[in-house]
Amino acid sequence: GAVVSQHPSRVICKSGTSVKIECRSLDFQATTMFWYRQFPKQSLMLMATSNEGSKATYEQGVEKDKFLINHASLTLSTLTVTSAHPEDSSFYICSARSSTGYQETQYFGPGTRLLVL
Amino acid sequence: RKEVEQDPGPFNVPEGATVAFNCTYSNSASQSFFWYRQDCRKEPKLLMSVYSSGNEDGRFTAQLNRASQYISLLIRDSKLSDSATYLCVVNIGYQKVTFGTGTKLQVIP
Repeated sequence: GAVVSQHPSRVICKSGTSVKIECRSLDFQATTMFWYRQFPKQSLMLMATSNEGSKATYEQGVEKDKFLINHASLTLSTLTVTSAHPEDSSFYICSARSSTGYQETQYFGPGTRLLVL
Repeated sequence: RKEVEQDPGPFNVPEGATVAFNCTYSNSASQSFFWYRQDCRKEPKLLMSVYSSGNEDGRFTAQLNRASQYISLLIRDSKLSDSATYLCVVNIGYQKVTFGTGTKLQVIP
């Protein structure tokens, strides 16, 4: 199946620093990518929908100035957590939409574990 | 009411048992449906799409009931390796994707 990569897989940073997470679709072009966050023992929560060449659409309650999303190409979307704080510590997962014929499927990256000290 | 609802479980079943999960959705305009599997501390992986006519993949059977707005997943002959959280995913239009909270399955030896 389609492959989506994420980098880094794990990051530990000090409070106040910014962290950039990359999401790449390796063998298909993705006009739409999604960013999720998952806290321990909780479900995935959609943060934003990233469209290539346009501004991301953020879910209610997600600060667009804190979570900067750039979808500069059909295979790359980045999420930057600006001025990270301990409460931003979470599992961040991206997904990319793949279209084959009439069926569209989401494929997930392996996730990035962020720990803010 | 949540857009997509699942029984969180956990479902504890013995090896070899048959187990079924349901997932209800509230938006009648929902267009496509999927089951994902998520292992502990890992990303979700696509298990199967759910088609209107129902579909089967080995021990897994997925069904869609549009009239009652639910999808189901049936697992036959449960294996220990089936232990995971099963997420129901509903696409509403091109941009809107909604996850259920997941149902945890634990298969016991």
